[in-house]
Amino acid sequence: GAGVSQSPSNKVTEKGKDVELRCDPISGHTALYWYRQRLGQGLEFLIYFQGNSAPDKSGLPSDRFSAERTGESVSTLTIQRTQQEDSAVYLCASSLASSAETQYFGPGTRLLVL
Amino acid sequence: DAKTTQPTSMDCAEGRAANLPCNHSTISGNEYVYWYRQIHSQGPQYIIHGLKNNETNEMASLIITEDRKSSTLILPHATLRDTAVYYCIVRRPISSGSARQLTFGSGTQLTVLP
Repeated sequence: GAGVSQSPSNKVTEKGKDVELRCDPISGHTALYWYRQRLGQGLEFLIYFQGNSAPDKSGLPSDRFSAERTGESVSTLTIQRTQQEDSAVYLCASSLASSAETQYFGPGTRLLVL
Repeated sequence: DAKTTQPTSMDCAEGRAANLPCNHSTISGNEYVYWYRQIHSQGPQYIIHGLKNNETNEMASLIITEDRKSSTLILPHATLRDTAVYYCIVRRPISSGSARQLTFGSGTQLTVLP
């Protein structure tokens, strides 16, 4: 079946612009995660959704970052007033349930802020 | 979650078995061993996990020592497409209160040589 998909695959934007990143999880997966990965670095947790609610937003780096999920499916990560330090790969993962251990990742969105 | 130690890099000849070691000497009784990999410019990919018994799936085998202080991921017939960073992580079940988000260490860069 289809895996996690993310769009766009690449995004180049100018400093100060807003961007929206989209994640389509595996069908039926109720838990969804957003991570950030800077070049050559490890995963940085951003936010976790169970259904449409976000019990853990602790990783969002600033109030410029927000995320929502609708229909227990698609999620959108929005970065307002982008800064150069926001440049990274943004990864989405989903798991069958909040108690399920295995997370399946999408290919990521490569964001470059000029 | 217990800490893991992996070699920084390894080479393997194409067609040969790749054996990737992981040390987790402080693992506790309810912690699982998980393996993920990340091919360059792609999202992390789940490979396999286990608790005590050896596990095998279509991608790999996981051998866990009897004392559970170390494990080996085996790719039985490595191909060039298996070149990636391989991450060994140890996680308590979410039901025990463990954090849901994944944290990767530095991993092992496996290079499969033609």
